[in-house]
Amino acid sequence: GAGVSQSPSNKVTEKGKDVELRCDPISGHTALYWYRQSLGQGLEFLIYFQGNSAPDKSGLPSDRFSAERTGGSVSTLTIQRTQQEDSAVYLCASSRSTITGANVLTFGAGSRLTVL
Amino acid sequence: KNQVEQSPQSLIILEGKNCTLQCNYTVSPFSNLRWYKQDTGRGPVSLTIMTFSENTKSNGRYTATLDADTKQSSLHITASQLSDSASYICGCGYNKLIFGAGTRLAVHP
Repeated sequence: GAGVSQSPSNKVTEKGKDVELRCDPISGHTALYWYRQSLGQGLEFLIYFQGNSAPDKSGLPSDRFSAERTGGSVSTLTIQRTQQEDSAVYLCASSRSTITGANVLTFGAGSRLTVL
Repeated sequence: KNQVEQSPQSLIILEGKNCTLQCNYTVSPFSNLRWYKQDTGRGPVSLTIMTFSENTKSNGRYTATLDADTKQSSLHITASQLSDSASYICGCGYNKLIFGAGTRLAVHP
């Protein structure tokens, strides 16, 4: 696609429920990143993929968070047993390769998660 | 500890004026530094990318500088417009970007 597509754009869930957030990167981009942005806070790194592998998942806050990428394309971020502190905007970004080579990192519009 | 600190936290200027935003980093390893503009409710949009060997890079009315020795960068906005009102985020790193909390800029008529 022309840009990074994320769905849903908004998700309201009850505490304890599981949620899945989807990211469809720009076609041909091998690197995919997930970030979290809480209200008034900076972008917090969660995980990145190179192809289907995740060389760095150090930012995942707890074992309730997991992510996968299949076919070197679409990625899903899953949050199990959601808590109120999980409320944030989850941003996905993709680039032609990792940002080491100064490749442009293009962000999606984000998925806003609200846990009641 | 890898950190990116931005200042000021927020800034109000009048339309047509210039302003400079600051970014200090202690991220290692370091490959490049980027400035992004984020409008409310939207994803960040890339403004500039600088490698450690570059000192300055311009994109229209935006000019970024980088001093790799002092680990400081700045973003200068010339002749500000109302549409420049947004958050400006600095990020740097190697395989992944570490971002600062951003500077919220408001341009008033």
